[in-house]
Amino acid sequence: AQSVTQPDIHITVSEGASLELRCNYSYGATPYLFWYVQSPGQGLQLLLKYFSGDTLVQGIKGFEAEFKRSQSSFNLRKPSVHWSDAAEYFCAVGASDYKLSFGAGTTVTVRA
Amino acid sequence: GAGVSQTPSNKVTEKGKYVELRCDPISGHTALYWYRQSLGQGPEFLIYFQGTGAADDSGLPNDRFFAVRPEGSVSTLKIQRTERGDSAVYLCASSLSQAGGRADTQYFGPGTRLTVL
Repeated sequence: AQSVTQPDIHITVSEGASLELRCNYSYGATPYLFWYVQSPGQGLQLLLKYFSGDTLVQGIKGFEAEFKRSQSSFNLRKPSVHWSDAAEYFCAVGASDYKLSFGAGTTVTVRA
Repeated sequence: GAGVSQTPSNKVTEKGKYVELRCDPISGHTALYWYRQSLGQGPEFLIYFQGTGAADDSGLPNDRFFAVRPEGSVSTLKIQRTERGDSAVYLCASSLSQAGGRADTQYFGPGTRLTVL
């Protein structure tokens, strides 16, 4: 069975600073990987996804993620965060045709 | 266009009562999913519909939970004899794929927060 670990429960970052959120997965085959963002009262919004090809994936809102098979990781990065990036971020792996397995999430706080 | 909508946004009920949660998927999406998100956790898969049929209900925790999608569009998640442990946010998602491929993107609704007193 597949699983996802997000080691950081909460991260605080200053506005304008860089951000990196960690994600490690466990899956026996080539994973399909996703990052979602969830703002209070909002549904999950897809930031980016990796299926194959280039291991550096660009997403919306200036986010990118890099798939590293050797480390079983899919870390999310943003060079310069904005106050609006404060939210909860979920990494997910799609193993079967339809089931997504999510990590427990990382809450990001942005300080002025 | 309109996204996935869910009603009600909040539902408070008493232990032992029956509840129904509704999901309106994006028009034209054939695949529909229900997830449950407990406090401090990521969403957990409950059930997947392809069209009108439940293709996989392996995530439903027990037989108190049931979901239908009679016309292949709107879906209702039904919980009988609610328990305090059922309190969570119930998320619905839909996707376009005809066959639920792994490359499919799931679009999520805002969820229904269920509180069982």
